[in-house]
Amino acid sequence: NAGVTQTPKFQVLKTGQSMTLQCAQDMNHEYMSWYRQDPGMGLRLIHYSVGAGITDQGEVPNGYNVSRSTTEDFPLRLLSAAPSQTSVYFCASSYRGKGRNYGYTFGSGTRLTVV
Amino acid sequence: DAKTTQPNSMESNEEEPVHLPCNHSTISGTDYIHWYRQLPSQGPEYVIHGLTSNVNNRMASLAIAEDRKSSTLILHRATLRDAAVYYCILKAGTGANSKLTFGKGITLSVRP
Repeated sequence: NAGVTQTPKFQVLKTGQSMTLQCAQDMNHEYMSWYRQDPGMGLRLIHYSVGAGITDQGEVPNGYNVSRSTTEDFPLRLLSAAPSQTSVYFCASSYRGKGRNYGYTFGSGTRLTVV
Repeated sequence: DAKTTQPNSMESNEEEPVHLPCNHSTISGTDYIHWYRQLPSQGPEYVIHGLTSNVNNRMASLAIAEDRKSSTLILHRATLRDAAVYYCILKAGTGANSKLTFGKGITLSVRP
């Protein structure tokens, strides 16, 4: 089915470990983004991309890296995991605009615990 | 970014209409009004969006005030599955870099 696929669904990391959260979409969306959601809070934007080869920082980028080598994939890398990065991570994608405004499609999330 | 204001929570009865309000008094002329909902333990789900005119789709209706300083998401017949957090978000125009900025949303409870 078309949509946004996130892997893994759950992950436990030790402090200082690194890992990559995967996000893939098959809708040919130019725009992709990563959010984190902490308990009782709304989503906060980490990084986003408006197309292959183009990325930019969102509201809370520290401790995370991204790259966009293809239209389909937008991985999020945790360089050295910290307990403060314990959260649920959501990837989202959308068409880019070009005279119209589009809704976002979200993945089902990755629940990350850093111990 | 222009902000939105929503009540923290609302309760409704199953099979009755629900009107979820949102204030956005600082909205700019090119901001679109988006609504998303998030069911427990799931990612947000797009519901509807509009600019000036009222909008309808299979999920809901969006009523936009004439001055655009407020809007209302209307669920015509609430079901238990509609219990979720609903986010009202302003999304800037049609620019490539326009982003979604989430607030805390309104938690909708549906009574059987």
